[in-house]
Amino acid sequence: SYVLTQPPSVSAAPGKTARITCGGDNIGSKIVHWYQQRPGQAPVLVIYYDSDRPSGIPERFSGSNSGDTATLTISRVEAGDEADYYCQVWDKSSNHWVFGGGAKLTVL
Amino acid sequence: RLVESGGGLAQPGTSLRLSCAASESIFSTFGMHWVRQAPGKGLEWVALVSFDGTYKYYGDSVRGRFTVSRDNSKNTLYLEMDSLRVDDSAVYYCARDRRSDDSTSWFDLWGQGTLVTVSS
Repeated sequence: SYVLTQPPSVSAAPGKTARITCGGDNIGSKIVHWYQQRPGQAPVLVIYYDSDRPSGIPERFSGSNSGDTATLTISRVEAGDEADYYCQVWDKSSNHWVFGGGAKLTVL
Repeated sequence: RLVESGGGLAQPGTSLRLSCAASESIFSTFGMHWVRQAPGKGLEWVALVSFDGTYKYYGDSVRGRFTVSRDNSKNTLYLEMDSLRVDDSAVYYCARDRRSDDSTSWFDLWGQGTLVTVSS
């Protein structure tokens, strides 16, 4: 089945930019979605369809996808952005929904 | 707007049924998923049922043991879990399916989860 690979941890200072990657074989040919999960809370969709933001998600959150890597970019990082972030794709051939292992963002 | 229930402590080899209650406006025309998260671990997709219950898909680790169903008259999603194993211990979330032109599918709304612990 399709595998998504994320770095276990990413860090950024307040006000700086955090980039969280999601690797997969020719992932650019798939559509990637991103979720934020704060400690003790349920996941929340922050990016869908590679780069679209749901209502209520700040413009600081953006996404891109090309080649073998999709990237979630968080600009002007805030303390409240500290959370686990998961990428996800739908493997249509097997009708399986696949998550990356998650990346913990630490705000320094 | 999605509220799970039914979690608790179960012994290995036994069964448990989870429920997910939703408001009508967000339920009856959408596919629904179960996603789980073992303690300290990442998210794992468990199962999907289509909006009308016609199609059901399962993750490899639960196929043949878990059954997903729904009752649109009650706006409720279910997960019947049989032959429970210790490694089924997790927080179980229900989540709504969204898709676009059949090219992709994602989870746009999540419940708060219900904890299942399988232990002797």
